[in-house]
Order: sequence, then structure tokens, then C-alpha cells
Amino acid sequence: DSGVTQTPKHLITATGQRVTLRCSPRSGDLSVYWYQQSLDQGLQFLIQYYNGEERAKGNILERFSAQQFPDLHSELNLSSLELGDSALYFCASSVGDRGNQETQYFGPGTRLLVL
Amino acid sequence: DAKTTQPPSMDCAEGRAANLPCNHSTISGNEYVYWYRQIHSQGPQYIIHGLKNNETNEMASLIITEDRKSSTLILPHATLRDTAVYYCIVRGSNYKLTFGKGTLLTVNP
Repeated sequence: DSGVTQTPKHLITATGQRVTLRCSPRSGDLSVYWYQQSLDQGLQFLIQYYNGEERAKGNILERFSAQQFPDLHSELNLSSLELGDSALYFCASSVGDRGNQETQYFGPGTRLLVL
Repeated sequence: DAKTTQPPSMDCAEGRAANLPCNHSTISGNEYVYWYRQIHSQGPQYIIHGLKNNETNEMASLIITEDRKSSTLILPHATLRDTAVYYCIVRGSNYKLTFGKGTLLTVNP
């Protein structure tokens, strides 16, 4: 158990819909990262927040957005869902914002299925 | 970030040491080597990381060659629960982790 929690564990929805994935970082961690894992693309970095502010962006679609709240939990919002958005979505957290010296600890993931 | 090369799969007998190689010949001086593993769609699990010295923790040992162009992750006494995909990641100044295809380690009874 990494200490990172994600809800829900599973989500089934239809194309065109909008969903929100939630992540609570480990106690004391200020950074949150979101990753997507699909069968054809592997694990890909989406976005990072540090203490409420966006820090880095990866291959995140414009239909996707994220935020980190004052209590440090984070939400990933996926809208206008397409079949190709079906994937595992992982959240990770780290203590601070020191780039490659920050060890990221991953949550159990949310499995999204878009029908 | 430097590119890494890992064998796609390896086998190991239960109770024996598992030695997983990683080649990162283009690594730069400030890039760290990280190892994670993923057990069947669970969240990636951090194992160990290092810059140039060998490292050991309760899970594994990391041996980095003197020229830093390759490294080996050692699981000293592999168990069936160590069957997983192991990712070797070289991190530059990026915040992100860049995962490749990794090595599928199968521990056999």
C-alpha cells in the first residue's frame, strides 16, 4: 500500500459523457501526477500539480483537465469521452518539486471503460 | 531523458536471485536511474533508484557500472509474488517518469 488513494476503482460510462477521477496523495506529499495507461500507448504522463499549481504538462488532451485543491487532493476531469479514452488512470504523489530527485508513489488506479 | 533498453522477458526460479539488466548508454551526468515494477494492472511500485553509487534497500539492490552506461536490478531471493513487469527509467530534469515496455519477469516454482 503506497498511501495514495484513488476513487472510483472502476468506472463505466458512455461516449460523450464526462467523468471525474479523484486522487488523495500520501500524507505530507505536495505534488500529484496523473498518468494514463492504455493497451497501445503504455504508461504516459499527463500532468503534474504542486501545492495547488500546475507544474508540468505531458500528452494531456484538451478535453481533459485537472486541478489540485487546498487540501491537496486532486481531480482529473475527462469530458466528451471517446472509446479511445478507455484506459487505466493512475495518480502518483511525491513530497516536493525537485524534478528527478522526487520519488513518485502510485495509487491503485481507476479503470475507465467507455462504451 | 536517456533511452533505456531492457530484454522483453526473463525467467527466474523461485528462491534464486533475479538479475534484470538495463542499458542506458546515452545517460547524462545528472540523470538518475529508477526502477519500478507493475504487477498485472496494479499501480507501478517504486523499487529503488540511484545516480552513480550502488544502492540497496529492503526490496532490491541496484548495481550501476562505473561508466553509468548500464545497470542491473537484483532481487536476491525471488518469490512468485515478484512476477511483474519491471521498468528501468532514466530521469533527467523532467518531472515525469517515462515508461518503456519493461521486462516481464516470470518467477517459476
